[in-house]
Amino acid sequence: EAGVAQSPRYKIIEKRQSVAFWCNPISGHATLYWYQQILGQGPKLLIQFQNNGVVDDSQLPKDRFSAERLKGVDSTLKIQPAKLEDSAVYLCASSLTGGTGELFFGEGSRLTVL
Amino acid sequence: AQSVSQHNHHVILSEAASLELGCNYSYGGTVNLFWYVQYPGQHLQLLLKYFSGDPLVKGIKGFEAEFIKSKFSFNLRKPSVQWSDTAEYFCAVNSGNTPLVFGKGTRLSVIA
Repeated sequence: EAGVAQSPRYKIIEKRQSVAFWCNPISGHATLYWYQQILGQGPKLLIQFQNNGVVDDSQLPKDRFSAERLKGVDSTLKIQPAKLEDSAVYLCASSLTGGTGELFFGEGSRLTVL
Repeated sequence: AQSVSQHNHHVILSEAASLELGCNYSYGGTVNLFWYVQYPGQHLQLLLKYFSGDPLVKGIKGFEAEFIKSKFSFNLRKPSVQWSDTAEYFCAVNSGNTPLVFGKGTRLSVIA
């Protein structure tokens, strides 16, 4: 079974530039999450999708971050404009269902903002 | 709001030593508890989880965790660690269908 795919693995940009990350979840997984993991901290939820609807985006900085899930499958996370404090690993995860369902994580996209 | 505290930032053990990593959560209701592990260069993966029933949960690779409701704790244990257990360990909690809330993680280094 293919895992959660993310790209790019690494991205270096300057502040005020924009960046986009892509995630392809495990086939059939209805729930998709984007987490932000800053160095030395645990993953922090940015947004949760159930199929193509947003379930929770309360911690998404909406002035600069946006995310969408096309047709309930792939998802993109965009940052525009980036700030220095956005340097982090952006993790995508999927699960069959929310709640008690196991989350399967991708390898993450490491963003460095200079 | 739920939160998770992991007491140890970095633990260094010799091979064959016993391991216990602390995890406390703050939430008054029914919770689901998880331990995830991230080996060097790999993605986060599930070690074990607790939803209900026997508070002693056994996971992969000889790990276990005990849910003590009165202490709001879900400590991870392994009787004898191996070099291959070197990784970062994350405790996480949710309730119902809420998203997982993670602790800051504990880095485990196992030396020969």
